[in-house]
Amino acid sequence: EGQLVESGGRLVQPGRSLRISCAASGFTFDDYAMHWVRQAPGKGLEWVSSINWKSDKRGYADSVKGRFTISRDNAKNSLYLQMNSLRPEDTALYYCVREVAGIYFDYWGQGALVTVSA
Amino acid sequence: QSVLTQPPSASGTPGQTVTISCSRSSSNIGSNSVHWYQQLPGTAPKLLIYSYNQRPSGVPDRFSGSKSGTSASLAISGLQSADEADYYCAAWDDSLNGPVFGGGTKLTVL
Repeated sequence: EGQLVESGGRLVQPGRSLRISCAASGFTFDDYAMHWVRQAPGKGLEWVSSINWKSDKRGYADSVKGRFTISRDNAKNSLYLQMNSLRPEDTALYYCVREVAGIYFDYWGQGALVTVSA
Repeated sequence: QSVLTQPPSASGTPGQTVTISCSRSSSNIGSNSVHWYQQLPGTAPKLLIYSYNQRPSGVPDRFSGSKSGTSASLAISGLQSADEADYYCAAWDDSLNGPVFGGGTKLTVL
């Protein structure tokens, strides 16, 4: 069974940068597109970004476009999210998720908590 | 405002059947399939139903999905206290190249 484990979440000041990571195991990582989905405290789910298996197609929500960059290293079975110019409204639990058949998510990590506050 | 609209809350008593609706209001979603995720308190979301009515392995058949026109529904029969959770519908948005989620429905078992 596949597993996704996020890391790197922490408290960071507004305007600063942070990179979070996701380690995948139990499946052939480079067979799948991957995404980040976030959930602000007490709020619903919000899609953040996506990357296809060979990293030549990426997508971003309007709320993070120009500030966040998604990347992956298939040799290391890892997914990353580089977050720049962080804002308090970026405070959320960031989930790493596996996309299936181009339409739904079957594996979710436990989340990495990013808190943006002075 | 989400293009997928869910009721913010639903409730039922043990053994009852509860239905949660998800209506779409954007052409960007078009006829793309609707999927359902269950988020138990303090845990990550879990895929519950995909492509309107397909259950992943391990999901009890008490959970079922359906489609009617521009809406989708999730039905939970034989309601149990363990079903108390937030339920989210989702569909692929072609303009976004990513999914949109409904606002979520908090299910309470009375």
